[in-house]
Amino acid sequence: GIQVEQSPPDLILQEGANSTLRCNFSDSVNNLQWFHQNPWGQLINLFYIPSGTKQNGRLSATTVATERYSLLYISSSQTTDSGVYFCAANSGGSNYKLTFGKGTLLTVNP
Amino acid sequence: DAGITQSPRHKVTETGTPVTLRCHQTENHRYMYWYRQDPGHGLRLIHYSYGVKDTDKGEVSDGYSVSRSKTEDFLLTLESATSSQTSVYFCAISLAPAGGTDTQYFGPGTRLTVL
Repeated sequence: GIQVEQSPPDLILQEGANSTLRCNFSDSVNNLQWFHQNPWGQLINLFYIPSGTKQNGRLSATTVATERYSLLYISSSQTTDSGVYFCAANSGGSNYKLTFGKGTLLTVNP
Repeated sequence: DAGITQSPRHKVTETGTPVTLRCHQTENHRYMYWYRQDPGHGLRLIHYSYGVKDTDKGEVSDGYSVSRSKTEDFLLTLESATSSQTSVYFCAISLAPAGGTDTQYFGPGTRLTVL
């Protein structure tokens, strides 16, 4: 099955800083999503982005499907951005089976 | 808000006992999923359903069974719980009307401890 790798595993920022999180995947994808898990455990969908670029406020994401990677950009980070960011993907005939990366733990300090 | 609830939210049980977790949705979505989350592993798919009585295995299905007798409920059963099944279990739904290739939304999770 598809392999999904995220980097960096951990990231510590000061409030106001910008950051880029990376997701590499091993096969062509039909589905690529980014999620944020807040410190209380809630998983929130950020982007559905199998290709192209999307923006939502201070967050944006770009997937370059031909090169098998996706980037999540966080600008002017806030303490509420802290948590774990997951990338998940599927490929080929496994349209219903998302494979998750192990996540990036982001800590934003005041 | 995709209208997903999970019950119970917390459960402590003993090895060898059966456990059933319930996922309930209010918006009639066709696709439902069960994941487990463990440190160092991210989320892993256990089983999923693409309609009433239509289910299939995911990545880590051994020791688990599921049932979906009506659209709104997806049950996950541990027939004989083991300590390795201590985890946080998440239910998810997909909003895509024609397939699972669309955005997934997650329930609040169930923390299960098997002693």
